[in-house]
Amino acid sequence: NAGVMQNPRHLVRRRGQEARLRCSPMKGHSHVYWYRQLPEEGLKFMVYLQKENIIDESGMPKERFSAEFPKEGPSILRIQQVVRGDSAAYFCASSGFYGYTFGSGTRLTVV
Amino acid sequence: TQLLEQSPQFLSIQEGENLTVYCNSSSVFSSLQWYRQEPGEGPVLLVTVVTGGEVKKLKRLTFQFGDARKDSSLHITAAQTGDTGLYLCAGAFNDMRFGAGTRLTVKP
Repeated sequence: NAGVMQNPRHLVRRRGQEARLRCSPMKGHSHVYWYRQLPEEGLKFMVYLQKENIIDESGMPKERFSAEFPKEGPSILRIQQVVRGDSAAYFCASSGFYGYTFGSGTRLTVV
Repeated sequence: TQLLEQSPQFLSIQEGENLTVYCNSSSVFSSLQWYRQEPGEGPVLLVTVVTGGEVKKLKRLTFQFGDARKDSSLHITAAQTGDTGLYLCAGAFNDMRFGAGTRLTVKP
């Protein structure tokens, strides 16, 4: 009964590199949400996806960030040409009847 | 501008004390949820409230949803050190939007 699986748990990238964050929702869940959390802050909504569809990307920065949830495989949050300000914890959640189940997050550090 | 305002932002109390934290908005929610997040982990759902005026109890935690479904409170009785964490409220729109949280520290 695996929960939401995120990998990697920690990711270090140099400025200008690409970061790819993966999220596998709970079995049977087809809705995935990505959130960003800065130290000492709450969760900021980024994007809501269903299989093969982006439903709401109103929280995504206009440039360098993209997300997908293909028919097969995990959801991917992709950050191109990372900058120091992208350093944060990125959480994904999948939704069921009782609410959201979150993964343990990916902590991205840009050096 | 936060859609959901949580107060206080930080709270530090002694073990055994009672406390209340608040979640307020100018918007009406179809449902509201409370989560607790511990360092290095994702948030964990504590409760969902749906009906205006609803009160739910979870052991020493009491959750209340305002009559107008715009606000909520979480009351903890006889706090324990294990209650330490970030308490987040979240309201349902097309997706879930979170407040900035109340960071609770319970000292022994």
